[in-house]
Amino acid sequence: AQSVTQLGSHVSVSEGALVLLRCNYSSSVPPYLFWYVQYPNQGLQLLLKYTSAATLVKGINGFEAEFKKSETSFHLTKPSAHMSDAAEYFCAVRYFGNEKLTFGTGTRLTIIP
Amino acid sequence: GAGVSQSPSNKVTEKGKDVELRCDPISGHTALYWYRQRLGQGLEFLIYFQGNSAPDKSGLPSDRFSAERTGESVSTLTIQRTQQEDSAVYLCASSSQRGLQETQYFGPGTRLLVL
Repeated sequence: AQSVTQLGSHVSVSEGALVLLRCNYSSSVPPYLFWYVQYPNQGLQLLLKYTSAATLVKGINGFEAEFKKSETSFHLTKPSAHMSDAAEYFCAVRYFGNEKLTFGTGTRLTIIP
Repeated sequence: GAGVSQSPSNKVTEKGKDVELRCDPISGHTALYWYRQRLGQGLEFLIYFQGNSAPDKSGLPSDRFSAERTGESVSTLTIQRTQQEDSAVYLCASSSQRGLQETQYFGPGTRLLVL
């Protein structure tokens, strides 16, 4: 079955440190990939998406993600964490012929002052 | 411009009662999706509407769940004879057109608690 896996349900980093949130997909055909962020008591907001135009995708709030076909990964990174980055992050995939998004279980990011 | 709106924002109901959740998509968006987010879990796809095409109901967990959409506007998700396991946040999303690259814009969700 086609799926997406997020390693680490909780990640804590110090303010100013590198943020790395992991996402792996399972498919022989590269999908379209998305990262969404959910701030407390708010809806999901698109951070960035991969649509095969470029393997390194830049998103909002200084986040970026790199599509690596050989590793079937689409990890999310930010060079320097800010307190406002504390939220839950979801990786999602969409496959050809399927309109729905399949989401990972999410990673809650905590920023340590 | 206005985003996706959902109502109510919170709903508490007793087991066995019916509930109706509403979603107002972004104006002009032809595609509309419903997802369910249980505590500590990812989002589960429920149903998808695209224009006047037959909806994709493949994610509905049981026949107690149904959804309707009038044209390209409001959608309602109805849960009949609610069970405690239905407690979750129900999220609605819309997108401007059919296509794998199209971004889905999400509403704030309806938090449902079944006692």
